[in-house]
Amino acid sequence: AQSVTQLGSHVSVSEGALVLLRCNYSSSVPPYLFWYVQYPNQGLQLLLKYTSAATLVKGINGFEAEFKKSETSFHLTKPSAHMSDAAEYFCAVSALANQAGTALIFGKGTTLSVSS
Amino acid sequence: NAGVTQTPKFRVLKTGQSMTLLCAQDMNHEYMYWYRQDPGMGLRLIHYSVGEGTTAKGEVPDGYNVSRLKKQNFLLGLESAAPSQTSVYFCASIDRDKGPNSPLHFGNGTRLTVT
Repeated sequence: AQSVTQLGSHVSVSEGALVLLRCNYSSSVPPYLFWYVQYPNQGLQLLLKYTSAATLVKGINGFEAEFKKSETSFHLTKPSAHMSDAAEYFCAVSALANQAGTALIFGKGTTLSVSS
Repeated sequence: NAGVTQTPKFRVLKTGQSMTLLCAQDMNHEYMYWYRQDPGMGLRLIHYSVGEGTTAKGEVPDGYNVSRLKKQNFLLGLESAAPSQTSVYFCASIDRDKGPNSPLHFGNGTRLTVT
């Protein structure tokens, strides 16, 4: 069975500092991995996704994530945090890849706070 | 293009009351999902549908029923609401024709409080 673990329910950084949000996955098949962002009182928006084409994935708003099979990780990074990055971030894995009715399994989320 | 629309946005119910949450998508997606979001729990799948007339249970289906009579609509019903169902409910849809790594399209959520 697939699962996702996000390390740290809350991360605080200063504006301009590096952002690192950690995600480890468990999957018995090659996984499809995603990062979503949720701003207050909104639904989730896709930040980026891993499609096996490249291990380093670039997403929107300057975020990127690196797939490391040996570490079963898909950590999200951004070189320089901006105040507008404050939100909740979810890592997700696609269950039963290539099967009909597959649903995303979400981690419990990491709230990112950015201070000036 | 509205995407995924959920109604209502907010609702307060008393224990034992029933209600239906409506999700509508205009993207002709086959697959639709209902999730609930609770603090510290992330999103958990309640039910999902892979096409008109079909539904299936997710991780936390108890106390909920769903129907997919039309391709564009996915209804979530609470027959007898309980305080444990206080949550934010999200509907999502996906175009699986684009592959298993297609992104989910989410609605803006329904905030339900059961007193």
